[in-house]
Amino acid sequence: EPEVTQTPSHQVTQMGQEVILRCVPISNHLYFYWYRQILGQKVEFLVSFYNNEISEKSEIFDDQFSVERPDGSNFTLKIRSTKLEDSAMYFCASSPGPSYGYTFGSGTRLTVV
Amino acid sequence: KNQVEQSPQSLIILEGKNCTLQCNYTVSPFSNLRWYKQDTGRGPVSLTIMTFSENTKSNGRYTATLDADTKQSSLHITASQLSDSASYICVVDSNYQLIWGAGTKLIIKP
Repeated sequence: EPEVTQTPSHQVTQMGQEVILRCVPISNHLYFYWYRQILGQKVEFLVSFYNNEISEKSEIFDDQFSVERPDGSNFTLKIRSTKLEDSAMYFCASSPGPSYGYTFGSGTRLTVV
Repeated sequence: KNQVEQSPQSLIILEGKNCTLQCNYTVSPFSNLRWYKQDTGRGPVSLTIMTFSENTKSNGRYTATLDADTKQSSLHITASQLSDSASYICVVDSNYQLIWGAGTKLIIKP
């Protein structure tokens, strides 16, 4: 069964540093998403991406965050100047269309120290 | 305010028993309702997606129901297995904006 692949599985970074989280969505999917989940809390929407541009973003997704699809397969989330409160699991997801089920990756656990 | 409330917050049952998880929502407009299973430290996995006109949908031992009039959904798990231990999350799609519940943490004991 096709999978969404995320790397790295775990990243530890110092406060103030920049991190790039990587995702390879399912190849024939057209919509891509980033979500985050702080330990013990709800899954939170960050951003959706379609046709090489952001289609929607949440209040969380401020200037500290950016997304990119640098080539035909990768989808990245960049977090600039990380803060302690950015520590969370970050999930990438993809879907064939917005009304279809999303396939989530296994996540990247980001720890900011 | 769009909200999805799930109950119970957590549940412990013995292996082999059945259980039912509840989801109440106040979301408008309504597009569809989704149930996800999330193992600890893993990404959510889709179990079912139900549109307005669907009352019941099954996926193996999982059966979801939807009452669009009362804005309630349930997820019934039959003959539970140890691998069913996970969080079960109800998500309502409102014009492509997903409203997430906090989940029910289910623990299956041998």
